[in-house]
Amino acid sequence: QAQLVQSGAEVKKPGASVKVSCKASGYTFSSHAIHWVRQAPGQSLEWMGWSNAGNGNTEYSQKFQGRVTITRDTSASTAYMELSGLRFEDTAVYYCVRGGGDPWGQGTLVTVSS
Amino acid sequence: DVVMSQTPLSLSVTPGQPASISCKSSQSLMQSDGKTYLYWYLQKPGQPPQLLIYEVSNRFSGVPDRFSGSGSGTDFTLKISRVEAEDVGVYYCMHSVPMWTFGQGTTVEIK
Repeated sequence: QAQLVQSGAEVKKPGASVKVSCKASGYTFSSHAIHWVRQAPGQSLEWMGWSNAGNGNTEYSQKFQGRVTITRDTSASTAYMELSGLRFEDTAVYYCVRGGGDPWGQGTLVTVSS
Repeated sequence: DVVMSQTPLSLSVTPGQPASISCKSSQSLMQSDGKTYLYWYLQKPGQPPQLLIYEVSNRFSGVPDRFSGSGSGTDFTLKISRVEAEDVGVYYCMHSVPMWTFGQGTTVEIK
């Protein structure tokens, strides 16, 4: 069945960038969108943006515009989310999600610490 | 932007009893295609959210029939007919057009 597997936890310093990967299997990667959602500790879910995995078009939440970049490599069935200018408040679990709302990746914890 | 508001924020339920969660949106969620893109998720501790209901009232594959969704316009409800121990976690409603917007979450615990 469809599955998304994300890269491992990261620890970054303020001002740095982080790039999280999301490898898809069990379905035709280019036929579905990939969304990115984050969840700060004890908080609700926050949508960051999405990519049309077929043509690479993207749309970002205004909150992250200019700091987030979503890309994909169709040959590797993998999507990527890069967040730059990291702040302490970017500490969160980052999820990739297939368009339609399922499945979700297992999540990647990004910790921003000096 | 659409704002999604859930009530209550927490719920303590005796096993076998029903439970109900409300989700209200700041504007109608009905789209020009006639569909309403309102989803319900359950996030169990330490896990990513799992899809329960899509487009207001459609149970996702494998979801027990004790879960049901209803509503229209700006008011939506998730009902659990008989709560089981495995239903504990945080429930979120979500709207997906044009961007994904989540409610604050409702924590369900067992008495």
